[in-house]
Amino acid sequence: QVQLVESGGGVVQPGRSLRLSCIASGFTFSSAAMHWVRQAPGKGLEWVAVIFYDGSNQYYADSVQGRFTISRDDSKSTLYLQMNSLRVEDTAVYYCARDRMTGGDYLDYWGQGTLVTVSS
Amino acid sequence: SVLTQPPSVSAAPGQKVTISCSGSSSNIGNNYVSWYQHLPGTAPKLLIYDNNKRPSGIPDRFSGSKSGTSATLGITGLQTGDEADYYCGTWDSSLRGVFGGGTKLTVL
Repeated sequence: QVQLVESGGGVVQPGRSLRLSCIASGFTFSSAAMHWVRQAPGKGLEWVAVIFYDGSNQYYADSVQGRFTISRDDSKSTLYLQMNSLRVEDTAVYYCARDRMTGGDYLDYWGQGTLVTVSS
Repeated sequence: SVLTQPPSVSAAPGQKVTISCSGSSSNIGNNYVSWYQHLPGTAPKLLIYDNNKRPSGIPDRFSGSKSGTSATLGITGLQTGDEADYYCGTWDSSLRGVFGGGTKLTVL
């Protein structure tokens, strides 16, 4: 069965960096585009970034553009999110999700999330 | 949020509820819509994709529709286990994901 397991969250000071990981299993990771989505405390879901199945393209939300980098290592079936210059408003649970496309794209499997707290 | 949902809806067990999702021509108007159910502390769950299709395992009590720049999620035969937050999602013209602000469903 498809499983996505995030890790790497924690407490970090503003301006510092953190790298999140998402280990995938149960499907051919190298064939799937992958996303990061976050949820700040008391807020709704916010899309963060996507990387195409072959790593050829990445797109980011305006709120993280230039600070966050999404990448993948297909040999390890692992998705990453490098977060630099962290801000208090980046505090959230971060989810990785698999992209599936039939007519349109949608996120068919999600991980349980990892909590990132940015605080001094 | 880019997509507009009502903050909350409520209905009695066994009743029907609908949740609206309003966007624009740069997102819903030109893309398929999906819907997700989210219980705090758990992984969001796909309910509807391609506007009106249900993944295997999702009961036919859940339905979706789209018209122009708006979409609607319908839930019939409400159960207490349906209490959750519901989100619509789609893509914008820059290939970026967009979600609604979420709707909290209360089954009275």
